[in-house]
Amino acid sequence: EVVLTQSPGILSLSPGERATLSCRASETISSTYLAWYQQKPGQPPRLLIHDASSRASGIPDRFSGSGSGTDFSLTISSLEPADFAVYYCQQSTSQPYTFGQGTKLEIK
Amino acid sequence: ELQLVESGGGLVQPGGSLRLSCAASGLTVSSNYMTWIRQAPGKGLEWVSVIYSGGGTNYADSVKGRFTISRDNSKNTVFLQMDSLRTEDTAVYYCVRDLYYLDVWGQGTTVTVSS
Repeated sequence: EVVLTQSPGILSLSPGERATLSCRASETISSTYLAWYQQKPGQPPRLLIHDASSRASGIPDRFSGSGSGTDFSLTISSLEPADFAVYYCQQSTSQPYTFGQGTKLEIK
Repeated sequence: ELQLVESGGGLVQPGGSLRLSCAASGLTVSSNYMTWIRQAPGKGLEWVSVIYSGGGTNYADSVKGRFTISRDNSKNTVFLQMDSLRTEDTAVYYCVRDLYYLDVWGQGTTVTVSS
């Protein structure tokens, strides 16, 4: 199965700063099948990005995704208080679908 | 509005069974891939099972032979029959629409396997 490794595990930043989260796959995956999710405590995950770089409906343009092959990233251009949460990448290029272990974005 | 509502979770002893339900509104389960994702307490997300629009199914190795996914088209509902439950099955179980990306999530139902 495809293993996704996210880094860093914890990212401490201040509102207004730029955040860059990384997701590395154990083998080449199609960009079509790489997605990013945001999860806040007590809530289900919310789809942010699909096809590596396409924002989901209603997602602000401060969120952007990029990458190809084995290296992907999620960038939040200017952090707002509501952005502090856990972020997961996920691949669906092959079964079983797998998720990264998550990056916790916390307020510095 | 697209909505998925899970039910059926609870406390069960190891070796027991539970049947989870996922009632859909605003989307037709038989026209979509429908997936169950679980999240153990304080842990990450784990893909569990999928039922395809054509009716085929697939399972994670960790649940294969113990869990069965199905649907009732007349009720627009997806089910997850969980047998031979283990303590490691303790988690919040989410029903999700699968478009290769997971775009519509239910609020989840909690399954606790403990003696």
